[in-house]
Amino acid sequence: EPEVTQTPSHQVTQMGQEVILRCVPISNHLYFYWYRQILGQKVEFLVSFYNNEISEKSEIFDDQFSVERPDGSNFTLKIRSTKLEDSAMYFCASSESGTDTQYFGPGTRLTVL
Amino acid sequence: QQQVKQSPQSLIVQKGGISIINCAYENTAFDYFPWYQQFPGKGPALLIAIRPDVSEKKEGRFTISFNKSAKQFSLHIMDSQPGDSATYFCAASMVYAGNMLTFGGGTRLMVKP
Repeated sequence: EPEVTQTPSHQVTQMGQEVILRCVPISNHLYFYWYRQILGQKVEFLVSFYNNEISEKSEIFDDQFSVERPDGSNFTLKIRSTKLEDSAMYFCASSESGTDTQYFGPGTRLTVL
Repeated sequence: QQQVKQSPQSLIVQKGGISIINCAYENTAFDYFPWYQQFPGKGPALLIAIRPDVSEKKEGRFTISFNKSAKQFSLHIMDSQPGDSATYFCAASMVYAGNMLTFGGGTRLMVKP
């Protein structure tokens, strides 16, 4: 069964450093999403992406965040200058259409020291 | 108005019992209500979903009950099994708003053998 994959599974970085989290969505999917989950809390929407542009973004997704689909398979989330409060599990998701089920990847645990 | 409130935060059920998790929402524009199951260290996985044109949907041991007038929906797990022990999240989305999922706070379910 096709699945969303994410790399790395765990990223440790120093405050102020840039990180790039990578995702490979399911191959025929056209809509892509990033969510985050701070330890013990609920999953929060960050951004949705379709047709090479951002569809929606939340208040969390400020100027420090950016997304990109650099090629036909990868979807990346970049955090320019990480803060301690960026420590969380980051989930990528994809869906075939804008109304369909979103399938989540296993997540990348980001730890900012 | 975008919030989805979920209760209880934690639930302990005996094997074979019924697990019931409730969610309430404010925004009447929500038109898709999925439930996700999450095991430790994994991403959320879709369990079952409903749209507001039906009041109930059943898939195996899992049933969603939907009350549009009360703006509430619930997940019932019949014949609960130890393997059902996980965190359950309700969510809601609006198709025209990029289908971003707004998650409830989660319910940690433990099914005792």
